Amino acid sequence: GAGVSQSPRYKVTKRGQDVALRCDPISGHVSLYWYRQALGQGPEFLTYFNYEAQQDKSGLPNDRFSAERPEGSISTLTIQRTEQRDSAMYRCASSLATADSGNTIYFGEGSWLTVV
Amino acid sequence: GQNIDQPTEMTATEGAIVQINCTYQTSGFNGLFWYQQHAGEAPTFLSYNVLDGLEEKGRFSSFLSRSKGYSYLLLKELQMKDSASYLCAVRDSNYQLIWGAGTKLIIKP
Repeated sequence: GAGVSQSPRYKVTKRGQDVALRCDPISGHVSLYWYRQALGQGPEFLTYFNYEAQQDKSGLPNDRFSAERPEGSISTLTIQRTEQRDSAMYRCASSLATADSGNTIYFGEGSWLTVV
Repeated sequence: GQNIDQPTEMTATEGAIVQINCTYQTSGFNGLFWYQQHAGEAPTFLSYNVLDGLEEKGRFSSFLSRSKGYSYLLLKELQMKDSASYLCAVRDSNYQLIWGAGTKLIIKP
């Protein structure tokens, strides 16, 4: 697509429910990133993929968080048994590749998650 | 640990010049990025520096000194639409981006 597309844009869920956030990166982009961003803060790294391989998941807060990118394109970030502290903006980003350090990361509009 | 420092907030006047500083301590260095983020929107790319010196792009310029772990973003001829947060990010030895908290720039008429 023309840009990084995320859905849903807004999600309100009850505590204890599972939620899945979707990211469709820019066509042809090898690398895909998931970030979480609090108001007035920079993006906080969660995980990233090159093609379908999850290269680094060190930023995932705990084992309730998982991500996949099975065909090397669309990715899903899943949060199981949501808690109120999971409420945040979740941003996806993509880039052509990571090997070339000059590659720009392009961000999606984000998914606002509210856990009530 | 890895750290990116930038001022929390700055105020400037329309038509003036403002310099936003960023200092960093990271495990390795593979480039420094500046992003602009308007309230409620996604960050958008402004500039990239990997070698020491000044990169100029219209009203915006970015400077890097790797030996000092220092960069600045210079905005000239400020316009009201430049009111936004400006994020500094450094790519470390693992090619991971380490992000600063951002500098909120307020432009006054």
